[in-house]
Amino acid sequence: AQSVAQPEDQVNVAEGNPLTVKCTYSVSGNPYLFWYVQYPNRGLQFLLKYITGDNLVKGSYGFEAEFNKSQTSFHLKKPSALVSDSALYFCAVRDAANSNSGYALNFGKGTSLLVTP
Amino acid sequence: NAGVTQTPKFQVLKTGQSMTLQCAQDMNHNSMYWYRQDPGMGLRLIYYSASEGTTDKGEVPNGYNVSRLNKREFSLRLESAAPSQTSVYFCASSALPVDSGNTIYFGEGSWLTVV
Repeated sequence: AQSVAQPEDQVNVAEGNPLTVKCTYSVSGNPYLFWYVQYPNRGLQFLLKYITGDNLVKGSYGFEAEFNKSQTSFHLKKPSALVSDSALYFCAVRDAANSNSGYALNFGKGTSLLVTP
Repeated sequence: NAGVTQTPKFQVLKTGQSMTLQCAQDMNHNSMYWYRQDPGMGLRLIYYSASEGTTDKGEVPNGYNVSRLNKREFSLRLESAAPSQTSVYFCASSALPVDSGNTIYFGEGSWLTVV
């Protein structure tokens, strides 16, 4: 089975401060990990993914995420938050070794990020 | 830059009515998906189509049917709508199944209310 957990329903950050949105995962094999962002009344937009290789992945809009196999985590980070980063963020996982789980991603419940001026 | 296009964007149905959500992608992707999004529950997979001519159930398929009409189009049908199907529905596609590490791209969503 594969699953992902986002332990925080909401994260509040002041503009200019660093932000972290947490994600932990559970898979039996090697994970494919993704981050998506959703703005109000819009679809999900792809931010970044980890498939293999360097544990630090850089993505769109200055976001990055670090894959930590020992802690089974894939936290999303940004050095300096913008008010426009306020949105709903989803972590998703796919077990690379599992071909029976629908060829699709399992999503977390989402974390609402609020960046205040 | 159309990507994944869903119609309609908004729909109100009465309990027991039927409707079809349409989805088309112009990225020549092989795999297509239907998800529903509910508050506090993230996205849950309803049905997917790994390639043209195949469809399979996801996590929450009850009350839905799908048709992979051709490589571009993947429709979701509610035969007898129930209030529990009030949700936001997202169509998505990927070049290959995600077990190849491929990225899924989403449409803008369809807001469905069943009264």
